[in-house]
Amino acid sequence: EVQLVESGGGLVQPGGSLRLSCTASGFTFSTYWMSWVRQSPGEGLEWVANIKQDGSDKYYVDSVKGRFTISRDNAKNSLYLQMNSLRAEDTAVYYCAKHPRDSSGYFEFWFDPWGQGTLVTVSS
Amino acid sequence: EIVMTQSPATLSVSPGERATLSCRASRSVSSNLAWYQHKPGQAPRLLIFGASTRATGISARFSGSGSGTEFTLTISSLQSEDFAVYYCQQYNNWPPITFGQGTRLEIK
Repeated sequence: EVQLVESGGGLVQPGGSLRLSCTASGFTFSTYWMSWVRQSPGEGLEWVANIKQDGSDKYYVDSVKGRFTISRDNAKNSLYLQMNSLRAEDTAVYYCAKHPRDSSGYFEFWFDPWGQGTLVTVSS
Repeated sequence: EIVMTQSPATLSVSPGERATLSCRASRSVSSNLAWYQHKPGQAPRLLIFGASTRATGISARFSGSGSGTEFTLTISSLQSEDFAVYYCQQYNNWPPITFGQGTRLEIK
């Protein structure tokens, strides 16, 4: 069974930093693109960033560029999100999610499955 | 950036009836559209990809249609477990990957 388990959330002051982790199991982590997606309180889903299998390509939503860094450690089956210069509007539940491949091995950029999420609260 | 707009924001439907949710893209996304179900405190769940292909294990009561800029998710014969928030998501043109703002499906 594919499982994604996020950790590292918590309360942080504006301007502070936090590092989220996502531990994967049940699939060959090193061969899949992975993403972070967030949901702010009372809001919808927002894609944050994704990363290629080997970490060579990374993409971000404009609102986090220069502040957040996505990375991975394939030896540890882990995905990370380093969040710096945090703002109140970064308050959200952060989910990690896997990008599937079709039968030809071509990557698809919907999300399946998702983890349960970890809550980040930015407040003084 | 492709903007996804869902309607209505809230849909009230009685159990056993059909629900029709709409999603519009600001420009064509071909058939590169997915639908998700999200319940409070749970992980979002993939329902549909490729605009009309049901994900593994998803009931045949869920069906997706459309292409280009107009898409529909139809849930036939609503059951209690279907009441949730539903999101569409385009993956045709990214970054960024974008979601609609969601439709809350509530019990009438």
